[in-house]
Amino acid sequence: LQLQESGPGLVKPSETLSLTCIVSVGSISNTDYYWAWIRQSPGKGLEWIGSIYHSGKTFYNPSLQRRVVMSIDTSKGQFSLRVTSVTAADTAVYFCASSLGDHFDYWGQGARVAVSS
Amino acid sequence: ENVLTQSPGTLSLSPGERATLSCRASQRIASNFLAWYQQKPGQAPRLLISGASTRAVGVSDRFSGSGSGTDFTLTISRLEPEDFAVYYCQQYGGSPFYTFGQGTKLEIK
Repeated sequence: LQLQESGPGLVKPSETLSLTCIVSVGSISNTDYYWAWIRQSPGKGLEWIGSIYHSGKTFYNPSLQRRVVMSIDTSKGQFSLRVTSVTAADTAVYFCASSLGDHFDYWGQGARVAVSS
Repeated sequence: ENVLTQSPGTLSLSPGERATLSCRASQRIASNFLAWYQQKPGQAPRLLISGASTRAVGVSDRFSGSGSGTDFTLTISRLEPEDFAVYYCQQYGGSPFYTFGQGTKLEIK
């Protein structure tokens, strides 16, 4: 199973961060998996952002829930993340990952996103 | 939130030595839903252990996990040069569903 993040590396403050994760062919419809976004910053370490199931059901970190939306497109084999009203605190490396429930078994290589004007 | 505290922050050892890394949770972790990851510079974390003690596919048997409740340990029996990295624990359960420890850096002495 392979995952690959894509999206802009620079976002202006107060704007929306958008990232997409492409999953290797056929895997995204696997009903055993949840699909997750995790970010890593020097200040906060590793932080789970949210997870989405193939049906579209989502689970978000309460600390980010007001600003986060995840979606999935099984026909394209991808899922996406949107974070609204970004600030410098959202500067991080964003990883997409697969989860069988209690842990993350496969990760993308990471997408570095900076929030700056 | 279930806060995970890893110790030590940095561990300095030589190849061939045994490494013992600790992860302590602020609340009991149900069903031993505790995982360990290894991260090298510029790379994503790599799953080593899930369910507190089950090695992931392809992980050397030099890595072992143990513990239950709130106290967990990752042991690396004989350090190889490629083992020097940062190690994170992660728990599942509660709100938020997943939290990570702050990491232990294993460096060459």
